[in-house]
Amino acid sequence: TQLLEQSPQFLSIQEGENLTVYCNSSSVFSSLQWYRQEPGEGPVLLVTVVTGGEVKKLKRLTFQFGDARKDSSLHITAAQTGDTGLYLCAGDRGNTGKLIFGQGTTLQVKP
Amino acid sequence: SAVISQKPSRDICQRGTSLTIQCQVDSQVTMMFWYRQQPGQSLTLIATANQGSEATYESGFVIDKFPISRPNLTFSTLTVSNMSPEDSSIYLCSVEGPGVGNTIYFGEGSWLTVV
Repeated sequence: TQLLEQSPQFLSIQEGENLTVYCNSSSVFSSLQWYRQEPGEGPVLLVTVVTGGEVKKLKRLTFQFGDARKDSSLHITAAQTGDTGLYLCAGDRGNTGKLIFGQGTTLQVKP
Repeated sequence: SAVISQKPSRDICQRGTSLTIQCQVDSQVTMMFWYRQQPGQSLTLIATANQGSEATYESGFVIDKFPISRPNLTFSTLTVSNMSPEDSSIYLCSVEGPGVGNTIYFGEGSWLTVV
């Protein structure tokens, strides 16, 4: 059983389109983090959300933490080819620093 | 953010051999973890590297296969023992760094291929 369900797992869109990636769980998380990973490299932190209902923006990326701290979303506006990569959500259930990862979303943005 | 260096960055290993991966952080950190990422998969936590005591392993991972050392607050090693092709993965070191909550940063990973 996957504790953190991430969807979609694959997404191929045209440059300029918008997209949303979802992470859902039945568990409550003390924090949730989003990463982007390029092939052959380690995950790079995009954002950490800790408060239910929290919304954070990073340029064209908008991150939301659900009110109950069980789910999160990543919305990209006007995607660019440079956004191509693997997006990972990861939750910490008890301020332990130990992360549970979603399955990942492979995003391809075509010119 | 914390700067995390891993060595080797990649290696090709013969089955039955063991390889030790090093992780060096540019500042003292309390929490240090090791993850595995199998080809095409997401990340799975192997263990928490505890300074001055034995590592704490997650379900499915054992000390005999993945011995871990943590001699101080800036350094840790993970050994992958008696390797088989199924051990071909990226092994990642991570630490808690500055930021809200328990913000976790990752090294660039060590990509092992077992032949």
